[in-house]
Amino acid sequence: DTGVSQDPRHKITKRGQNVTFRCDPISEHNRLYWYRQTLGQGPEFLTYFQNEAQLEKSRLLSDRFSAERPKGSFSTLEIQRTEQGDSAMYLCASTPGGGSGNTIYFGEGSWLTVV
Amino acid sequence: GQQLNQSPQSMFIQEGEDVSMNCTSSSIFNTWLWYKQEPGEGPVLLIALYKAGELTSNGRLTAQFGITRKDSFLNISASIPSDVGIYFCAGQRDSGYALNFGKGTSLLVTP
Repeated sequence: DTGVSQDPRHKITKRGQNVTFRCDPISEHNRLYWYRQTLGQGPEFLTYFQNEAQLEKSRLLSDRFSAERPKGSFSTLEIQRTEQGDSAMYLCASTPGGGSGNTIYFGEGSWLTVV
Repeated sequence: GQQLNQSPQSMFIQEGEDVSMNCTSSSIFNTWLWYKQEPGEGPVLLIALYKAGELTSNGRLTAQFGITRKDSFLNISASIPSDVGIYFCAGQRDSGYALNFGKGTSLLVTP
């Protein structure tokens, strides 16, 4: 499979615990995005990387959230001290980079339930 | 980011009917995208539009990029049960920038 891959697909955690999600983008896509989606809403932008550089962060990305892309390939999104409001689907997406016509492809998402 | 206004919120139609949904924004976008999402899955790209006025088809789907760059519509002709899902529009200011999504149109098709 050559699409965007996310792991785990589902995670149930107790409030206060830390969780980490991994995203493997499409090969040679140098831009990688993280979005969050709650029920009944469209995806909301969290952050994006150009290679290993984190270029933009949304106000939705509180201090408890951190994302990395150390080698410009896969990325991780960590949520510390989870809260019930963090329950959502976390989507990763990638695109080849700048220039017109580079559309964004999404992974299947990682569902987080905080109990 | 900017939330797009997508309508209708939901549609319940019979197989074979045509469907039309649209998306508007108070801001200009240089790219409009339409995605379909099924339960528990990520959004799947249906059509991408890069030029104002552009009309693009993908099988039974047709989408247009509004002349003002502030709107787009998606038509589905001769709907079938597997068209069921949530359809999202997304606007992008410039290539590579974050997408701004609408809240989606939920489509149900009865046989």
